[in-house]
Amino acid sequence: AQSVTQLDSQVPVFEEAPVELRCNYSSSVSVYLFWYVQYPNQGLQLLLKYLSGSTLVESINGFEAEFNKSQTSFHLRKPSVHISDTAEYFCAVTEISGSARQLTFGSGTQLTVLP
Amino acid sequence: SAVISQKPSRDICQRGTSLTIQCQVDSQVTMMFWYRQQPGQSLTLIATANQGSEATYESGFVIDKFPISRPNLTFSTLTVSNMSPEDSSIYLCSVFSGTEAFFGQGTRLTVV
Repeated sequence: AQSVTQLDSQVPVFEEAPVELRCNYSSSVSVYLFWYVQYPNQGLQLLLKYLSGSTLVESINGFEAEFNKSQTSFHLRKPSVHISDTAEYFCAVTEISGSARQLTFGSGTQLTVLP
Repeated sequence: SAVISQKPSRDICQRGTSLTIQCQVDSQVTMMFWYRQQPGQSLTLIATANQGSEATYESGFVIDKFPISRPNLTFSTLTVSNMSPEDSSIYLCSVFSGTEAFFGQGTRLTVV
């Protein structure tokens, strides 16, 4: 069975400061990793994903995440946040084996960017 | 990619009644997933719906409370039965297309 741990439930940060949202996972097989973002009163949107290849993946809005197999982590970072980045961020994992696909989500991290 | 149309987007229901949520996908998919997001919580998988067979429920969820239909490869419904205030949540359907999961906009349910 797979599991995801997001270590910080709330992260307040000032505008233009860097931020890191932490995610650790546990699985007995290889996995795909995802970060989803949920803006207030909106649905889930995929932010970025790691499938294979380069361990550093980037999104179009400046976020990046690095897959670290030895530490079983997939932390999300942004060097300079904006007010508009305020949202709930979910780390998720799915096992690669087989054709079935279901996501296991972490508990979420509320990022609040302060002016 | 996949586009999911989910409805209703929100509803306020009396306790003891039932609500059926519908999801329509713009492509054929083998599996559809139903999640619940309780206030301030993460997403929890309720069940996996396969076309032509009974849904597979996760621990803590039962068919009598959350019956699911999957009449074809593009459509599914989830019914929340005999509702209580504890059922107030956002319910989402999801499918995988390739290696990416797509979600409906969610149904925000309030039980009074």
